[in-house]
Order: sequence, then C-alpha cells, then structure tokens
Amino acid sequence: DAKTTQPPSMDCAEGRAANLPCNHSTISGNEYVYWYRQIHSQGPQYIIHGLKNNETNEMASLIITEDRKSSTLILPHATLRDTAVYYCIVRVGNAGNMLTFGGGTRLMVKP
Amino acid sequence: GAVVSQHPSRVICKSGTSVKIECRSLDFQATTMFWYRQFPKKSLMLMATSNEGSKATYEQGVEKDKFLINHASLTLSTLTVTSAHPEDSSFYICSASYSNSGNTIYFGEGSWLTVV
Repeated sequence: DAKTTQPPSMDCAEGRAANLPCNHSTISGNEYVYWYRQIHSQGPQYIIHGLKNNETNEMASLIITEDRKSSTLILPHATLRDTAVYYCIVRVGNAGNMLTFGGGTRLMVKP
Repeated sequence: GAVVSQHPSRVICKSGTSVKIECRSLDFQATTMFWYRQFPKKSLMLMATSNEGSKATYEQGVEKDKFLINHASLTLSTLTVTSAHPEDSSFYICSASYSNSGNTIYFGEGSWLTVV
C-alpha cells in the first residue's frame, strides 16, 4: 500500500470546518483513499473512502485532487466529540487487504 | 454500518496464564479478519490476518505460538495470548471486512489487556 503523509496535529474551533490534509503521491490507480478516526481508548471508526471522485456522507466530505496525489477530509461543523486521531490510508479495495496505519493527525476541537 | 464486536473489553490476568479475546462480526459474514495491537500514544500495528478455515498469516516479528489465532467460523475469530507477560499488556483490536461492504474494513471496540 502507498504511504501517506499527514500533519501530526491540528486545532479547530468548535462549529468551524476542520480540513485535514493527506499526501499520497505514490498512490496506484487501483488504490482507494480511506479515512478512519480513533477516539481515545476505542477502536478506529470508518469515516469515508473514495477512488477519484469527491465523496460526501453524513459524517464528512472527501476531496481528492485530480492527480490523486493528495486529499482533504472535511468535517463541516466540528464538535468537541470530533476530537480524535484521524488516519488517512490508501489501500487496494479488496476484502483480503489489511489497513496499514501511519501516525495520523491528532485533531483537537476547542470550544 | 457493519458491526464488529470484541469481548472482553477489559481483562486483567496473571503472568504465565493465557487469555482469549473474541472478535465477532454481528451482521455479516467475514471471510477475513485482522488483529492489531496498539501501545499508548502509538499507532495500530498489524499482528496477523485471520482467514476462515485456514491458518492465520502473521506479520514479521509476531510469535505465532504466543498469539494463537483461530477463525473457526465466518463470524468469529479468537486471539489467545499464551503464557502472558507484563510486556504483552496492550490494546488489542480486531477488524473485519466483507465484499458486500465495498470491502470497507470495520473495527471492533478493542480489548485492553493488563498482565500483572
């Protein structure tokens, strides 16, 4: 799986949009971009994934650049409960393929 | 979304004993499950890939005789930490995926193991 680069930490004001960047310059054509988050002492939670088109669900939006070398996860209205470590992972979309976790971005949402 | 459940969520055991952690897929059949461990303030590290009906595939550096994995059915995988030592104390997390989920991987709640 391609490696990803994320900033180690970010702050965001409550109610504002949180934009979390991820670089994946060596991504292959068949690799998806997945985002997970891990709240303290819990298992990772799936947020969203995409291949090349932008995606949106009830939790977040995923913006993937046209060359697919980077992406941004957007939490439109961050709350205190969104404080967590966010992991960007690229992976071939096959059930037998595991996820390889990097360091992630520790997002702190502040009142 | 799909639900993966682990049990127990917390366990304390004495050095030298064995402890079993269960991972269940509650609303889908998982042909593949994964086991991770995580130390405080560190990222998740893959330990092994568990395939239903066959032997698990262990990552380099993970002792297969110490961390026994059994995936006897499409909804249950177990991790047994044998002859536990204090350095085995960690957060153990399982995950599972199935083809109908778009191959998205879902995680359990995690299990805290403390060896005293």
